[in-house]
Amino acid sequence: QVHLQESGPGLVKPSETLSLTCTVSGGSVSSGSYYWSWIRQPPGKGLEWIGYIYYSGDTNYNPSLKSRVTISVDTSKNQFSLKLSFVTAADTAVYYCARDAFFGRFDPWGQGTLVTISS
Amino acid sequence: QSALTQPASVSGSPGQSITISCTGTSSDVGDYNYVSWYQQHPGKAPKLMIYDVSNRPSGVSNRFSGSKSGNTASLTISGLQAEDEADYYCSSYTSSSTQVFGGGTKLTVL
Repeated sequence: QVHLQESGPGLVKPSETLSLTCTVSGGSVSSGSYYWSWIRQPPGKGLEWIGYIYYSGDTNYNPSLKSRVTISVDTSKNQFSLKLSFVTAADTAVYYCARDAFFGRFDPWGQGTLVTISS
Repeated sequence: QSALTQPASVSGSPGQSITISCTGTSSDVGDYNYVSWYQQHPGKAPKLMIYDVSNRPSGVSNRFSGSKSGNTASLTISGLQAEDEADYYCSSYTSSSTQVFGGGTKLTVL
């Protein structure tokens, strides 16, 4: 059974770069059958798709975040990562990683990690 | 890309059926049969309930069903149970090969 776990700092200063890693167990990020995605949820608000990466390194990002987002994959560690630059308070959210069996079939999800943007 | 439109809240009594709508455009919901639905209990990660408009993952109760007409997708929950009380989100594939979520619907079981 595939399990995803997010990790990274829970507090980031404004204008700095948010960095998170998702570790996959019970499955492989090198599988050609899935995209590996990041999704976030501001406190009390709805879900927002951030982007995905394929094992080949191909990526696709939410147009509203594209200029600040980088998603990468490390097949040797079975991990994929998110970097979001020039963060503001509006980027405070629970960040989830999820496996996507193409076209938005997100399953499973990680438990999520709260990242707060504050000085 | 704009978020898909969902009602903020719906409610129903145990045993009843409810339907949650999810309205998009001809660039997402209307053009692709790639609508998914997620259930989220407080403090928990979302759970996939329906994919590709009307397919249920293994282990999801057959009380949950999905459909689509034009630019609007729907999630129906029949035989409402207390454990169904949660937030529900729809998502759709888009013409830009991206994903877009709905704003979410809070389901209250009276």
